[in-house]
Amino acid sequence: AQKITQTQPGMFVQEKEAVTLDCTYDTSDQSYGLFWYKQPSSGEMIFLIYQGSYDEQNATEGRYSLNFQKARKSANLVISASQLGDSAMYFCAMREGAGTGGFKTIFGAGTRLFVKA
Amino acid sequence: DGGITQSPKYLFRKEGQNVTLSCEQNLNHDAMYWYRQDPGQGLRLIYYSQIVNDFQKGDIAEGYSVSREKKESFPLTVTSAQKNPTAFYLCASSTAYSTNEKLFFGSGTQLSVL
Repeated sequence: AQKITQTQPGMFVQEKEAVTLDCTYDTSDQSYGLFWYKQPSSGEMIFLIYQGSYDEQNATEGRYSLNFQKARKSANLVISASQLGDSAMYFCAMREGAGTGGFKTIFGAGTRLFVKA
Repeated sequence: DGGITQSPKYLFRKEGQNVTLSCEQNLNHDAMYWYRQDPGQGLRLIYYSQIVNDFQKGDIAEGYSVSREKKESFPLTVTSAQKNPTAFYLCASSTAYSTNEKLFFGSGTQLSVL
């Protein structure tokens, strides 16, 4: 069963505007972590922001913020003041217990963001 | 500099051939992971390892094998049983202690079939 759902395959945003990338997740665990990663065309994976399941405040990192709605199981990424360099693939991810004493991270299908000049 | 090194950057496989992708980290991380990425798609977990000499299957382990003989190294073998191996392979590592640990990634290996 799909555990991380990103429903927007592609998004366009005008430079300097804000954009929201959607992410919903499914888990029965009480303790989990939610992450967003950016993948430019070079293929590298860049960590953007983290939200813990017990965190009551929404996480923020510079121009990135995570809109965490626990009851709805959503963890949307908001990018403010978009820049041309924000054009990339964005992945939502969840880290949870793996049942073997360790942890694993699973990813959504991603959203490709295009920033227009 | 600490980080994860994947090699080679590009790899070609012939029909019926096994190939091995290298992943080495000097971050002193306990956990290591292999992901497969197909064009325009997300990352799917192949195998992961929390400690030396132990590893678990991920969601798409069929046709792949791994070993974890050293903490620093987690090589992935794509066997001839993997009928559609063309993809971008990413290795990652993290500490293994909690749900708040981000992944550190290598630069990836692009595997193609000749």
